Amino acid sequence: EVQLVESGGGLVQPGGSLRLSCAASGFVFSINCMGWVRQAPGKGLEWVSFIYGGGDTYYADSVKGRFTISRDNSKNTVYLQMNSLKAEDTAVYYCARDPRSGSYFDYWGQGTLVTVSS
Amino acid sequence: SYELTQPPSVSVSPGQTASITCSGDKLGDKYASWYQQKPGQSPVLVIYLDTKRPSGIPERFSGSNSGNTATLTISGTQAMDEADYYCQAWDTSTAIFGGGTKLTVL
Repeated sequence: EVQLVESGGGLVQPGGSLRLSCAASGFVFSINCMGWVRQAPGKGLEWVSFIYGGGDTYYADSVKGRFTISRDNSKNTVYLQMNSLKAEDTAVYYCARDPRSGSYFDYWGQGTLVTVSS
Repeated sequence: SYELTQPPSVSVSPGQTASITCSGDKLGDKYASWYQQKPGQSPVLVIYLDTKRPSGIPERFSGSNSGNTATLTISGTQAMDEADYYCQAWDTSTAIFGGGTKLTVL
């Protein structure tokens, strides 16, 4: 059974940093692309970042230069390092698997809430 | 930048057919996916690669994609189908989501 479990969310002040983790199980993690998608309170889904199995990374313009996605295939975990956080980054952050490298997200985690506020 | 446009809301009577559209420039040249999200829950993939249904998704869900419009069709809509639905496609290594459509089953 595929499982994605996010952690690391919480309350952080504007300008602060946070690192999210997503622990994966139930599939061959190293060959799958992984992404982060966020949802601000009461709003729609917004793609944040994506990492190929080989390590190539892509970012939404809204987070480029501030967020860094990475993966540790030995730990079956994908990370999202978030720096210079802004109030508009407040959202539930979902980790999701893309089985075909830039196609669709077939499994999603339960999400972790990030609140940026003073 | 590429955009996907969905109607904010669609209403349907139980047992009837609901159609939710997603419009984007030459969307038919890309693959479209659809996600269902109920309040307080994570999104669930209901259609991928334009027309395919993941295992466990009822047959009443179907999809099409041609020209500038992708469509999610729910035949024999049930009360349990009431949810937000999002379309998604890729454009130059960027995942794009539509703004979402709230489906109300009256």
